[in-house]
Formats: sequence, structure tokens, C-alpha cells
Amino acid sequence: QVQLQESGPGLVKPSETLSLTCTVSGGSINSYYWFWIRQPPGKGLEWIGQIHYSGTTNYNPSLKSRVSILVDTSKNQFYLKLSSVTAADTAIYYCARDRLSANPSIGEFGFWGQGTLVTVSS
Amino acid sequence: DIQMTQSPSSLSASVGDRVTITCRASHSISTYLNWYQQKPGKAPKLLIYAASSLQSGVPLRFSGSGSGTDFTLIISSLQPEDFATYYCQQSYGTPRTFGQGTKVDVK
Repeated sequence: QVQLQESGPGLVKPSETLSLTCTVSGGSINSYYWFWIRQPPGKGLEWIGQIHYSGTTNYNPSLKSRVSILVDTSKNQFYLKLSSVTAADTAIYYCARDRLSANPSIGEFGFWGQGTLVTVSS
Repeated sequence: DIQMTQSPSSLSASVGDRVTITCRASHSISTYLNWYQQKPGKAPKLLIYAASSLQSGVPLRFSGSGSGTDFTLIISSLQPEDFATYYCQQSYGTPRTFGQGTKVDVK
């Protein structure tokens, strides 16, 4: 069974860049789409963007100017970078995988990491 | 963006109750609609995909229906472990978008 684990700093200063890693175990990162999704404390879910193992990306237009998602298939990891953060970016950040291997993405988030809380504060 | 609107935002129910949650899309999304369950401190869990298909391992008391713009999640007989927040999500277009959630708590 595939498992996903987010890692990275829990505290980021305003205007700096948030960087997170999602490590995939129990399966290959190849042949799937991978996602970042966030949830401000006590609020709903927001899709940040996706990456195919080949490197093709698609971002939420609301964040597109600040977000970058990368993949390293040799390490079975993918990454999130969000620049110029503000307090509004404080959230639990989840990485997730498509339910099935398909191209294009089916957008069904079948597997999730446990999430990591990132707080933006000076 | 496709807006997803759930109703109600919260409901109180008892064990054994039949619970119905609705989700409406701002544009037709065919059956590209998924439902998730989230418990406090946990990641969301996929319950139903493609409007009516039960994810592997999900109890049969959960069912989904609908197409176009109107969708329904039904829990036929609420169990203690079902008290949680439920989200719908469209997979018709990008950006993928979620409903605001429906919290099911104890009556």
C-alpha cells in the first residue's frame, strides 16, 4: 500500500518561501499524478496543484504566480515551493495521489499523507 | 472555476439515522464528483468517486448519486465512526474545487 509523508519547516517568515517535500513509499512515483492540497486551520480544502511523474504541472490560478511543484523520480519524492508567503498561507499542507494511474489525471485523491502544519509568522 | 456548494453546512444526527448531504456544482460536471470524509486531525479519506462508485474498503451504508449539477451522499444508518466532516469535490475541470464541508455531529 502506497504511503505518503510530508516534511519541511513548520514555521516560515512572511515574504519567505515555503518548501515542503512529499516522500512516497510502498510504490513508485512513476505512472501517477501527484498533488498538493492545503487546509487553513478550521477551514475547507484548497487544491494547490499537480505534477505528473514526467514533470508536467498544473497549478491553481489563484496561486500560480507563487507556486512551483517539482518531482525527483530517483528519490521517489515531489516538492512544493510557495514564494512570498503571508499569514493567509498558514495551513495544513497535504500531499496526495490520484486513485489510479491515468493520463490525464482523473483528479480523484485516493491516497493522502497525514499532513503538515505550516505557520507563517515572524 | 467551478463552485461547489454543500448543504447543510452542519447537521446533528443519532446513531442509526439516515443522513443525506447534497452538493451542487455551478456548472454541469457530468458524474465527475467525489466525496471525502475527514475526522479531526486526520487527512480526508476518499469515500465515493465518479458520483456513485464506492472506494474499496468503504462500508456499503455509504452511497452516492447524481449527475450534472446536483449530487447526494447518503449514509443509510449512521454509525458512531461516521461522525465527521464530509466534502464533495469536482474532478471535471481544473482547478479542482471542493465544497465547504458538512459537519455531522451527535444529536
